Amino acid sequence: IAGITQAPTSQILAAGRRMTLRCTQDMRHNAMYWYRQDLGLGLRLIHYSNTAGTTGKGEVPDGYSVSRANTDDFPLTLASAVPSQTSVYFCASSPRTSSYNEQFFGPGTRLTVL
Amino acid sequence: GQQLNQSPQSMFIQEGEDVSMNCTSSSIFNTWLWYKQDPGEGPVLLIALYKAGELTSNGRLTAQFGITRKDSFLNISASIPSDVGIYFCAGQLRGSTLGRLYFGRGTQLTVWP
Repeated sequence: IAGITQAPTSQILAAGRRMTLRCTQDMRHNAMYWYRQDLGLGLRLIHYSNTAGTTGKGEVPDGYSVSRANTDDFPLTLASAVPSQTSVYFCASSPRTSSYNEQFFGPGTRLTVL
Repeated sequence: GQQLNQSPQSMFIQEGEDVSMNCTSSSIFNTWLWYKQDPGEGPVLLIALYKAGELTSNGRLTAQFGITRKDSFLNISASIPSDVGIYFCAGQLRGSTLGRLYFGRGTQLTVWP
């Protein structure tokens, strides 16, 4: 079934630990995105990638890094997790970045940093 | 950063009633999208709008791209219990080539049987 998968589904992490959230899409979409969702704040863009090999910073990039080695995968890494990074993380993809930019979301990863 | 003002923040309605929610911005957008999010899941795209004045339906849902390009509306007719969830508007700024979407903070819809 075509779509976006994220792993893990949920994770509890000690502060200071390194963590990579995985995202894979099989729709051959060019663009991919990482968002965090916090109560009352909606969805906020962390990082994005318009095509394999390129990445860019979103609204809240501090403490996070991404890579885009190929079209399908877009991992998000927390180098040293802090409690304020407790959130639900969503990966999304889109076939294009100009007009008609419909983004499709994965099921999310719920991360708790203690 | 860019803000989309989505209202109302929450709605409590009875099954069978119609629902309206809207999203406004001070900037001009070339794309408006409406998403629904069920508890524990990712947002699901409901309707996409690309032209000012465009009116698009998806079953009982109807959305409009405002003439000024600074707003959008979503209407749900004859609500049913499965309409419960959070509805988000999202927009792409005119002239943007980065594909970035800006999201409203959501409308929490509760439907009483």
